[in-house]
Amino acid sequence: EVQLLESGGGLVQPGGSLRLSCAASGFTFSSYAMNWVRQAPRKGLQWISSIDGSGTGTYYADSVKGRFTISRANSKNTLYLQMDSLRVEDTAMYYCAKGESVDSGDIDYWGQGTLVTVSS
Amino acid sequence: QSVLTQPPSASGTPGQRVTISCSGSGSNIGSYNVYWYQQLPGTAPKLLIYRNNQRPSGVPDRFSGSKSGTSASLAISGLRSEDEADYYCASWDGSLSGRVFGGGTKLTVL
Repeated sequence: EVQLLESGGGLVQPGGSLRLSCAASGFTFSSYAMNWVRQAPRKGLQWISSIDGSGTGTYYADSVKGRFTISRANSKNTLYLQMDSLRVEDTAMYYCAKGESVDSGDIDYWGQGTLVTVSS
Repeated sequence: QSVLTQPPSASGTPGQRVTISCSGSGSNIGSYNVYWYQQLPGTAPKLLIYRNNQRPSGVPDRFSGSKSGTSASLAISGLRSEDEADYYCASWDGSLSGRVFGGGTKLTVL
């Protein structure tokens, strides 16, 4: 059974940093691309970033490019999202999501999410 | 404003058939697969339809997807109260080099 468990969310001040983690199990982690998707309170889904199975290919939404960094540790079955220069508008539930294949980030499984609140 | 356009709301009575549309362009739906997700209140999204019209195991055959040109649709037949949720379409956008979602459709079962 595929399981994705996010952690690392919390309250942070504007301009601060936070690192999210996603522990994956139930599948061969290195064989699948991974994504981060967020959902602001009472809003829709917004794709943030994707990374291929090897970790060499990364993609970002314009809204976070240059501020967020996606990475993965295949030996630890863990996905990360380093978030710097956080803004109030980054406040959201952040979901880790599994891609369909090693280079396709089309999402087939979602984690339960971790809440990030950016506020002074 | 979302790249993919969905109606903000839809409704139906138990047993009815409802459809939810998702409109895009040649750089997304016109060139790539469409995925549909269901988000029940207070929960994470769940895959409902993949690669335009395929159902994952465990998803009832009351749910079906279709795609034509730059638009896609999700149909739900035999509507049930437990279908009340938010529904999102998604695709890849080659021009943006990013994944795009529709704004979501809130389905109400009357």
